[in-house]
Amino acid sequence: DTVLTQSPALAVSLGQRVTISCRASKSVSTYMHWYQQKSGQQPKLLIYGASNLESGVPSRFSGSGSGTDFTLTIDPVEADDIANYYCQQNNELPYTFGAGTKLELK
Amino acid sequence: EVQILETGGGLVKPGGSLRLSCATSGFNFNDYFMNWVRQAPGKGLEWVAQIRNKNYNYATYYAESLEGRVTISRDDSKSSVYLQVSSLRAEDTAIYYCTNGYSWGQGTLVTVSS
Repeated sequence: DTVLTQSPALAVSLGQRVTISCRASKSVSTYMHWYQQKSGQQPKLLIYGASNLESGVPSRFSGSGSGTDFTLTIDPVEADDIANYYCQQNNELPYTFGAGTKLELK
Repeated sequence: EVQILETGGGLVKPGGSLRLSCATSGFNFNDYFMNWVRQAPGKGLEWVAQIRNKNYNYATYYAESLEGRVTISRDDSKSSVYLQVSSLRAEDTAIYYCTNGYSWGQGTLVTVSS
């Protein structure tokens, strides 16, 4: 299985630029997607195909990477962005998720 | 507007079974692979199962942790997908989400406890 590794948590200040990383145990090409999950809510797709912004998602979110190293950038961070962020690969079955990165306020 | 609604969760005793349903609208269901993903309380997301569309002969795939205990199916005429889960264990306690990869439902809670 493809293991996805994310940092458990990041503390940020509002207005700051933040980068959340996801490293895959083997290449997933650009079959990497990013989800935001707020407390008590379902996940919401932000980025698909490593760098494509889902319709309706603010342009302060962006994604990059290919192969094994991927990043989700939020610039600038707003209060509404405080949430958990998950990467997911669908390059091969079983599809796998990272353990999530909790974005917290400093 | 895309709508995805899961139903069928509840409290079930260990060893029991449940059939989860997912009704969808607002997108061309027939074109999509459909997935179930679960999330145990306070934990991360775990992919459970996928059913592909008619073009892929409705092929099904399962997470190894549940293989043999789950069956995914779909009814294109109703734009719905289903998950049958049997021999339930305490560790199957989770919110079960239905997703087309882009949109997710709000999930249905399955609690396995005696």
